[in-house]
Amino acid sequence: AAGVIQSPRHLIKEKRETATLKCYPIPRHDTVYWYQQGPGQDPQFLISFYEKMQSDKGSIPDRFSAQQFSDYHSELNMSSLELGDSALYFCASSTRDTEAFFGQGTRLTVV
Amino acid sequence: GEDVEQSLFLSVREGDSSVINCTYTDSSSTYLYWYKQEPGAGLQLLTYIFSNMDMKQDQRLTVLLNKKDKHLSLRIADTQTGDSAIYFCAESHSGGYQKVTFGTGTKLQVIP
Repeated sequence: AAGVIQSPRHLIKEKRETATLKCYPIPRHDTVYWYQQGPGQDPQFLISFYEKMQSDKGSIPDRFSAQQFSDYHSELNMSSLELGDSALYFCASSTRDTEAFFGQGTRLTVV
Repeated sequence: GEDVEQSLFLSVREGDSSVINCTYTDSSSTYLYWYKQEPGAGLQLLTYIFSNMDMKQDQRLTVLLNKKDKHLSLRIADTQTGDSAIYFCAESHSGGYQKVTFGTGTKLQVIP
């Protein structure tokens, strides 16, 4: 069965650079969620989209933005990267009738 | 607000049962989940339970929910070394359109 696809799997950026993470939800899933998991931490909710509109917002820094496109894939844009942004970023997708399914994550390292 | 708490660490011997506990504060939680995360890996959904259920069993896994005390537990029977991982308890208000709130995670160490 198709799962949530995240790309890239690994990303290394320098401080003050910009990164774009992509998430391709399971087909026919209309909701996408983004989470950030720092080293030794539990995943923290950043933002979610339903039918291309932002549906909920968590602890997402102002330097980050995200959107969901007409094909339901989502991108998380991160600017002015800081060392503290190094983390595992998860995307999840769902429909009204299913639980959230998580991707394998993108590991971002800021050096 | 939402708060999900777990003990940080559990050590068991191979073949014994493991019980990982979790408490949550949000009484409107509808779905309660258990995720497994191996080092450097993604989140694997192990099982989940609806808030109107008391128990769910799936092979070696048994989930018990005490809604009155807002207490959730995951029992792993015949624990194997491959079960060593971090286990996250999580909750959401509904299956679809609400975010999942994770607990602090319990690191399970299985001693051969």
